[in-house]
Amino acid sequence: QVQLVESGGGVVHPGTSLRLSCAASGFTFRSYGMHWVRQAPGKGLEWVSFISHDGHYIYYTDSVKGRFTISRDDSKNTLYLQMNSLRAEDTAVYYCDKDLRSGAFAGDFWGQGTLVTVSS
Amino acid sequence: DIQMTQSPSSLSASVGDTVTITCRASQTINRFLNWYQQKQGKAPKLLIYSASSLQSGVPSRFSGSGSGTDFTLTVSSLQPEDFATYYCQQTYTTPLTFGGGTRVEIK
Repeated sequence: QVQLVESGGGVVHPGTSLRLSCAASGFTFRSYGMHWVRQAPGKGLEWVSFISHDGHYIYYTDSVKGRFTISRDDSKNTLYLQMNSLRAEDTAVYYCDKDLRSGAFAGDFWGQGTLVTVSS
Repeated sequence: DIQMTQSPSSLSASVGDTVTITCRASQTINRFLNWYQQKQGKAPKLLIYSASSLQSGVPSRFSGSGSGTDFTLTVSSLQPEDFATYYCQQTYTTPLTFGGGTRVEIK
């Protein structure tokens, strides 16, 4: 069965960096685009970033452009989110999700999320 | 960015009721619209994609309609497990954007 397991969250100071990982199993990882979506405590969902199955198409929400980098390692079936220059407003649960199919931009399977807290 | 406005922000309903949630886009998005359900402390679950396509495994009491800028999610014969928060999401263009959510509570 499809499984997505995020890791790498924690408590960090503003201005520092963190790398999130999303380990995928149960499907052919290299064939699917992947997303990161976050949810601040008590708030709604916010899409963060997308990477296509082949890594050729990458998109970010404006607030993280230049600070966050999405990548994937198909040999390890793992998605990453490198987060630099972290701000208090980046505090959230970060979810990875798998695209339903190429170009669908619909997350049909999600991980359980990993909490990132940015605080001084 | 395309703004997605959901209404109402919350509602109370009873088991067996039919519930309708609306989502309006700030510009036309054709039918590039998804609906998700999220229960407290859990990851979102895809219900509807492309405005009206039912995701595999989702009960048929969930249905979606609309195109352009106005969309609806209808839950017929509300069940106890349907009490949750629902989000629409446009996928017409990046940045992909979600609505603010509609919390469906037990009356």
